[in-house]
Amino acid sequence: AQSVAQPEDQVNVAEGNPLTVKCTYSVSGNPYLFWYVQYPNRGLQFLLKYITGDNLVKGSYGFEAEFNKSQTSFHLKKPSALVSDSALYFCAVRDDSWGKLQFGAGTQVVVTP
Amino acid sequence: DTGVSQDPRHKITKRGQNVTFRCDPISEHNRLYWYRQTLGQGPEFLTYFQNEAQLEKSRLLSDRFSAERPKGSFSTLEIQRTEQGDSAMYLCASSPRTGSNEKLFFGSGTQLSVL
Repeated sequence: AQSVAQPEDQVNVAEGNPLTVKCTYSVSGNPYLFWYVQYPNRGLQFLLKYITGDNLVKGSYGFEAEFNKSQTSFHLKKPSALVSDSALYFCAVRDDSWGKLQFGAGTQVVVTP
Repeated sequence: DTGVSQDPRHKITKRGQNVTFRCDPISEHNRLYWYRQTLGQGPEFLTYFQNEAQLEKSRLLSDRFSAERPKGSFSTLEIQRTEQGDSAMYLCASSPRTGSNEKLFFGSGTQLSVL
């Protein structure tokens, strides 16, 4: 069984400040972790993924995520948030049985000018 | 870039009616997924295909739901005898290969409203 938790329904941050969106996961095998972003009236867009190797993964639009195996976390980060980063962010996990991708409930990010 | 295409974008129907949605994946993507998303929730897995074979179905998928991918290209999702609880955004996604590390490419979804 696999599951994902995003503990914050919403994250508010001022433009220019660092942004962190939290995610913890549970899988029975090796985890494959993903972040997606959803803008209003648009489909989910892939941001980045962790497979193996370096625990810090760099992705699109200046985002990065840090994999922490001991804490079973995969937090999304951006050093300096933009107003245009305001969107709904989803963490997702799949184990190495290569079945379905399991999504978290999502975190709404609001970046204020 | 043709992307994943879903049709229709919006569907309004009366309770008890049948509806069918279509998904055209990115060409040559052999995996195709259906998800359902309600307001304030993340996408919930419904089913997925590898080529024309349906490999997994969620327990969320009642007998009123059926999905096909007859030639391993486009897919259809049919809901029979719709209920108000079926109102949701139905998302289709595809991926080029079968590995666990492959990302999904999503369509814009079909918004279903059951009155």
